[in-house]
Amino acid sequence: DAKTTQPPSMDCAEGRAANLPCNHSTISGNEYVYWYRQIHSQGPQYIIHGLKNNETNEMASLIITEDRKSSTLILPHATLRDTAVYYCIVRVLTSGSRLTFGEGTQLTVNP
Amino acid sequence: DTAVSQTPKYLVTQMGNDKSIKCEQNLGHDTMYWYKQDSKKFLKIMFSYNNKELIINETVPNRFSPKSPDKAHLNLHINSLELGDSAVYFCASSWDSGNTIYFGEGSWLTVV
Repeated sequence: DAKTTQPPSMDCAEGRAANLPCNHSTISGNEYVYWYRQIHSQGPQYIIHGLKNNETNEMASLIITEDRKSSTLILPHATLRDTAVYYCIVRVLTSGSRLTFGEGTQLTVNP
Repeated sequence: DTAVSQTPKYLVTQMGNDKSIKCEQNLGHDTMYWYKQDSKKFLKIMFSYNNKELIINETVPNRFSPKSPDKAHLNLHINSLELGDSAVYFCASSWDSGNTIYFGEGSWLTVV
């Protein structure tokens, strides 16, 4: 699976959009971009994933650049409960594939 | 109604003991996993079972033995516990190993 690079930490004001970047310049054509988050003392929580088109669900939006070498997770109206470590992961969706977690980005939402 | 549940949530035990962590999922998934998160917060896969068959077995001491009695359960047995086994262990599941993986809330193991 391709390696990802994320900033170690970010801050965001409550109510504002949080934009979390991720670089995956060596991504392969069949690798998906996945985002998970881990709130303190909880299990990792699935947020969203995509291949090349932008995706949106009730939690977030995922914007993937046309060359697929980077992506941005957008939390449109961040709340204090969104404070967590956010992981960007690329993986193929084949039998035996795995989620390989990096260090992620610690997002702190401030009041 | 918890989708992936683990017991116990907290476990404190002495070195040398043998302990088990149980995991159950009610999502109808056919693939289950064990991940370990150490003190440095890195999450690493340990094992994966698909339809009760072992498909991923990372470099884990053979003191760790997963057991899957059926598709909905994957238990983790640890023999001769060591201080370095102290960590948070997460169970997870997915529909086939190539799909979105959902995690439990973790089991905090402390070896003293």
